[in-house]
Amino acid sequence: ILNVEQSPQSLHVQEGDSTNFTCSFPSSNFYALHWYRWETAKSPEALFVMTLNGDEKKKGRISATLNTKEGYSYLYIKGSQPEDSATYLCAFMGSGGYQKVTFGIGTKLQVIP
Amino acid sequence: DTGVSQDPRHKITKRGQNVTFRCDPISEHNRLYWYRQTLGQGPEFLTYFQNEAQLEKSRLLSDRFSAERPKGSFSTLEIQRTEQGDSAMYLCASSQVLSLQLEQFFGPGTRLTVL
Repeated sequence: ILNVEQSPQSLHVQEGDSTNFTCSFPSSNFYALHWYRWETAKSPEALFVMTLNGDEKKKGRISATLNTKEGYSYLYIKGSQPEDSATYLCAFMGSGGYQKVTFGIGTKLQVIP
Repeated sequence: DTGVSQDPRHKITKRGQNVTFRCDPISEHNRLYWYRQTLGQGPEFLTYFQNEAQLEKSRLLSDRFSAERPKGSFSTLEIQRTEQGDSAMYLCASSQVLSLQLEQFFGPGTRLTVL
């Protein structure tokens, strides 16, 4: 059983605050790490797919870093907006060759206007 | 094609009834996955197809669950003799096996409530 952990499980921030979440995953047999954003009543939306140790990716105010040797990834949101309110899921993809992912429990973010 | 679609979006059934869900993936995607998310958990892998072949099934998928992808396009997930523990969100995702991006595209899910 793969252990993919996310912290915190929930977070309330004020509009304009910056925030970050953590995803930890097995450091062996690593292939890729996915971040998804899942808004209520919508489909989970892929934010980043990260494959290389030291990867840093950015999409607007959201960025992510990856450390495969120690088995963690950080997701940062700069200047949080109410529309950022969602559950942020990370998913570990091992070197199994068929793209199966193991999800963490998610971090539920609520941005208060 | 605007994305992965699932039908129905919500299903309420009584314990012991059979239910079937449908997933239509993005048309050029040859891989299709089913996940289940229960309250307070992340999505858990159930099974996946490459074209019409079902290549892996999770131990979570008991004998009451069956999935098909008869023509390598849409897929169905059937649960027989539903139990209250089957209440969950059932997510479908698809991907392109040759994609270097490894990204999976998800549908909106089917929320099942077993009374």
